[in-house]
Amino acid sequence: DTAVSQTPKYLVTQMGNDKSIKCEQNLGHDTMYWYKQDSKKFLKIMFSYNNKELIINETVPNRFSPKSPDKAHLNLHINSLELGDSAVYFCASSQDPGFSYNEQFFGPGTRLTVL
Amino acid sequence: AQTVTQSQPEMSVQEAETVTLSCTYDTSESDYYLFWYKQPPSRQMILVIRQEAYKQQNATENRFSVNFQKAAKSFSLKISDSQLGDAAMYFCAGGPSNTGKLIFGQGTTLQVKP
Repeated sequence: DTAVSQTPKYLVTQMGNDKSIKCEQNLGHDTMYWYKQDSKKFLKIMFSYNNKELIINETVPNRFSPKSPDKAHLNLHINSLELGDSAVYFCASSQDPGFSYNEQFFGPGTRLTVL
Repeated sequence: AQTVTQSQPEMSVQEAETVTLSCTYDTSESDYYLFWYKQPPSRQMILVIRQEAYKQQNATENRFSVNFQKAAKSFSLKISDSQLGDAAMYFCAGGPSNTGKLIFGQGTTLQVKP
């Protein structure tokens, strides 16, 4: 049973296209996250939702828009893709915001390649 | 602002030996957590160990232990009896206890030699 799943695992697309990455968690968690890992392996948080409400919104181009239809899903939509968007995108979830009693569980990542 | 710094891009260790990975965490927060994550070639992020900043006792998980020196802002990971399966990239990370906002270091690639 996959705890945090992402689709697709690999995504290759042309510059200028619009694409979405989907994330689902079956852990019953209230909080979900998106992280970006660049070509140098540097991981940076992008967004976080708690109970479908945006609680972390880092300095990310507004071409990136997260959407949480329900607590178990957090999708990432990217408009007008650029070469610099090529990266691995990780979804994660935790019981609630904060670290006191829980950890963040990561999905397998989606490797996005923009040509 | 918080910063997490890993100054060792690469480390290597002989199988069955011990290795220590370094990390410094700088924050103005008084209540925060620190973590070490492992990322093998499969790219799955796996939590290795966590440490609450207010706890004086260093965390231990089987062969993995940390040395948390709060005043020195140091948070190192010690891997004892290294195994081939420990080969991976290791990330130090931290964040305030109430936000879930994890800040990651640059990572250290660990090679385990048979």
